[in-house]
Amino acid sequence: QKEVEQDPGPLSVPEGAIVSLNCTYSNSAFQYFMWYRQYSRKGPELLMYTYSSGNKEDGRFTAQVDKSSKYISLFIRDSQPSDSATYLCAPKGYGNTPLVFGKGTRLSVIA
Amino acid sequence: GAVVSQHPSWVICKSGTSVKIECRSLDFQATTMFWYRQFPKQSLMLMATSNEGSKATYEQGVEKDKFLINHASLTLSTLTVTSAHPEDSSFYICSAGTGRNTGELFFGEGSRLTVL
Repeated sequence: QKEVEQDPGPLSVPEGAIVSLNCTYSNSAFQYFMWYRQYSRKGPELLMYTYSSGNKEDGRFTAQVDKSSKYISLFIRDSQPSDSATYLCAPKGYGNTPLVFGKGTRLSVIA
Repeated sequence: GAVVSQHPSWVICKSGTSVKIECRSLDFQATTMFWYRQFPKQSLMLMATSNEGSKATYEQGVEKDKFLINHASLTLSTLTVTSAHPEDSSFYICSAGTGRNTGELFFGEGSRLTVL
C-alpha cells in the first residue's frame, strides 16, 4: 500500500458545483495535512492545511481530516473555471520533514 | 506566504553536459530544503533532503553522484544534474520550510529540464 492514495481523476464538473477531493494515508505519524494546487507547468501552490483532525475553512475551500480513518478531504464550493487544476494532498510529520504527495486529482470546471 | 525562487525555469542541454538549478528562499531562512522530481502526469517524488552546512540525504534509488546538492547558505540550495541524459528530462522542484512549527512548506516555480 502506498503511503498516500489519491484518485487521479480526471474529474469534470459544471461551474457552481460542489467538488469533493479525497485522499487516504497509511502513516499514523502524519500530523499536518496540506492541500496544494498545481497548474500545468508550474510548481505547487499551498492552498491550505490542517493540523491533526478537524475542519478548516478558507473562503470557498474546506479541508477535513479524520485521523481515526486516515481520510483527508478538500471541498470546493461554488466551483469556478479558474479552479481547474491538479489538486495534491500532501501530509507530513512534525518539524523539517518532507511532504508525501498523493498522485493528484485533475479537476476541470466547465463554464 | 513565503517566497521560494527557482532558476532557471526552463533549460535545454545536450546529453553528457551538466546543469545547475538554484533554489532560493527570498524572505526567510531555510535550514532544510527538499528537492522533488515530477515526470509528466505523475506526482512529485522526493529526491533528497538538503540541510544547510551538511551533506544531503538522498532517497532510495536516487544517485547522489549524479544529482549533486549543495546547501551552502540558509537561503540557497543548488541541484546539479551531472552528465545529463534524456531520461533525466523532468520537472525539478524545490521546497523549503520557514522552520516554524506550522509545518508549512513552500515551493519554487520549478525547473523544466530537457536533455537532447
